[in-house]
Amino acid sequence: DVVMTQSPLSLPVTLGQPASISCRSSQSLVHSDGNTYLRWFQQRPGQSPRRLIYKVSNRDSGVPDRFSGSGSGADFTLKISSVEAEDVGVYYCMQGTHWPYTFGQGTKLEIK
Amino acid sequence: VQLVESGGGLVQPGGSLRLSCAASGFTFSNHWMNWVRQAPGKGPEWVATIKQDGSEKKYVDSVEGRFTIARDNAKNSLYLQMSSLRDDDTAVYYCAAGRAFSWGQGIVVTVSS
Repeated sequence: DVVMTQSPLSLPVTLGQPASISCRSSQSLVHSDGNTYLRWFQQRPGQSPRRLIYKVSNRDSGVPDRFSGSGSGADFTLKISSVEAEDVGVYYCMQGTHWPYTFGQGTKLEIK
Repeated sequence: VQLVESGGGLVQPGGSLRLSCAASGFTFSNHWMNWVRQAPGKGPEWVATIKQDGSEKKYVDSVEGRFTIARDNAKNSLYLQMSSLRDDDTAVYYCAAGRAFSWGQGIVVTVSS
């Protein structure tokens, strides 16, 4: 199975400051169809996961533009340009290229 | 888009349970559908996925042979038949549409004697 490794696992951030989460996969996530199925999810306390980013860098509808995704191959990053209080929660990267699809361990973002 | 799971509850080890997911607000028959679970305090785990017409199904190794995913496109519904349940199947089970663009609110399954 593809192992997804996130860092850091805990991310204390001051309101208005940027934040960055790294996600590395144990093998390339480039699919035979040429796409890279790397997604980012946000899970607020007590809620279901919500997809923020798909295919590395595409923001879902309704996701604020302070969220951005980048990367290629096996190395990816989620950035928040200016953290707001509503961004508190756990962030997961997830690969949808190789079955079984797998998630990272999660990064808990909290406000300092 | 709305996904509403039902059918969860408390079941003894070795028992069975059938989860359902009612979908609305999108063209159900156009999308792969999925079950994803999250054990208490853990990250999500993708359990099973089914193709638009039901012709292809995939399972994570830990549930292969015990769980069966199915769909009824006429009823816009997704199902998960779970048997030979074990303690480590205890989790919140989510129905997720397509490439996980939308998730249900989740349903709790507790396996305990």
